[in-house]
Amino acid sequence: KAGVTQTPRYLIKTRGQQVTLSCSPISGHRSVSWYQQTPGQGLQFLFEYFSETQRNKGNFPGRFSGRQFSNSRSEMNVSTLELGDSALYLCASSFIGPDGTDTQYFGPGTRLTVL
Amino acid sequence: SQQGEEDPQALSIQEGENATMNCSYKTSINNLQWYRQNSGRGLVHLILIRSNEREKHSGRLRVTLDTSKKSSSLLITASRAADTASYFCARLYNTDKLIFGTGTRLQVFP
Repeated sequence: KAGVTQTPRYLIKTRGQQVTLSCSPISGHRSVSWYQQTPGQGLQFLFEYFSETQRNKGNFPGRFSGRQFSNSRSEMNVSTLELGDSALYLCASSFIGPDGTDTQYFGPGTRLTVL
Repeated sequence: SQQGEEDPQALSIQEGENATMNCSYKTSINNLQWYRQNSGRGLVHLILIRSNEREKHSGRLRVTLDTSKKSSSLLITASRAADTASYFCARLYNTDKLIFGTGTRLQVFP
């Protein structure tokens, strides 16, 4: 099976702009989660979608939003970009295994730089 | 913060040596997971240990879990230069929300 794919891999934007990142999960995975990684804050959970519904949300401002489509692909959007939004954005897809465990598989990430 | 803490923050060893990383967390868990991240890239799932398990092996990896101390350790035996990466522990919170530790940067010199 193909792994989790994220596009674009690199992105440069200026303050005030908005950006949309895309994530395609592993085939058959219905849950998609998004994380932000910065040197200062580490890895932080943004939100999680399952069957087109947001199930969990992290502690981020409303400028960060996401959605999931019927084919489980997900997008996240950041509006009114700030310098502090520069980060590696990671997407993960998961499914519940037969033993009940949930393992998340990560994509390569999108490196966003805000100038 | 809900984040776990890992120590050491950085570790440098020679090839062939063992590397041990520790992780502490604050709340009860169902399981603890370990991930590896090569420089600025995606995370790779290494191993999952359940709360009722004390030790788990996978190849050169050995993970232990002490729920009474709320701590876990990852041992990499006979390290290789290719093991150079950052290692994170993570616990699952609320179905699909992973809370990551601060990570250990491992450098293995050939």
